Amino acid sequence: AQKITQTQPGMFVQEKEAVTLDCTYDTSDPSYGLFWYKQPSSGEMIFLIYQGSYDQQNATEGRYSLNFQKARKSANLVISASQLGDSAMYFCAMRESVRDDKIIFGKGTRLHILP
Amino acid sequence: DSGVTQTPKHLITATGQRVTLRCSPRSGDLSVYWYQQSLDQGLQFLIQYYNGEERAKGNILERFSAQQFPDLHSELNLSSLELGDSALYFCASSIRDSQGSEQFFGPGTRLTVL
Repeated sequence: AQKITQTQPGMFVQEKEAVTLDCTYDTSDPSYGLFWYKQPSSGEMIFLIYQGSYDQQNATEGRYSLNFQKARKSANLVISASQLGDSAMYFCAMRESVRDDKIIFGKGTRLHILP
Repeated sequence: DSGVTQTPKHLITATGQRVTLRCSPRSGDLSVYWYQQSLDQGLQFLIQYYNGEERAKGNILERFSAQQFPDLHSELNLSSLELGDSALYFCASSIRDSQGSEQFFGPGTRLTVL
């Protein structure tokens, strides 16, 4: 079974609009961490944001915020006021610290920002 | 520039061969992670080292091995290479091994097996 599911293979969004990238996860561990990474066409991987399973508040980093809904097991990334430079592949990932500490990635969502 | 260096940038080799990929973490980072990114498998976590010791293991094949040296650089050894091993191999580093540590990725090594 998929541990990390990103249901949107691709998205097109108008510049300056807000974007929500979906991510659902599956784990029975009480302690885990959720990450979002950005991969532009140049290939490098850029860390965006982290949410711990025990964190009370949703994580925010500049224009990025993570909409963490624990009961629904969802960790959507919200990008406010999108920019052309946000066009990239976005990966959601989870680290299960109790079981074996390995990190599992979703298949990614390719985001296209339109001028 | 993340501060993580990987060499070589590109590697072309033949099936059955053995290669070594090298990673130097950011100054002060104790954890090194290896990932494989291929078109069919996506991004896969291979292995993590923390201060020289193996910390977590992912989908790493038995033909692959890694180590982290006392100076904290790491090497990923891939042997008996197959066509399916062609992929982009990333190294990442973080200062701690805790789950919340931000990981800084290197530029990757693109391996092509012919």
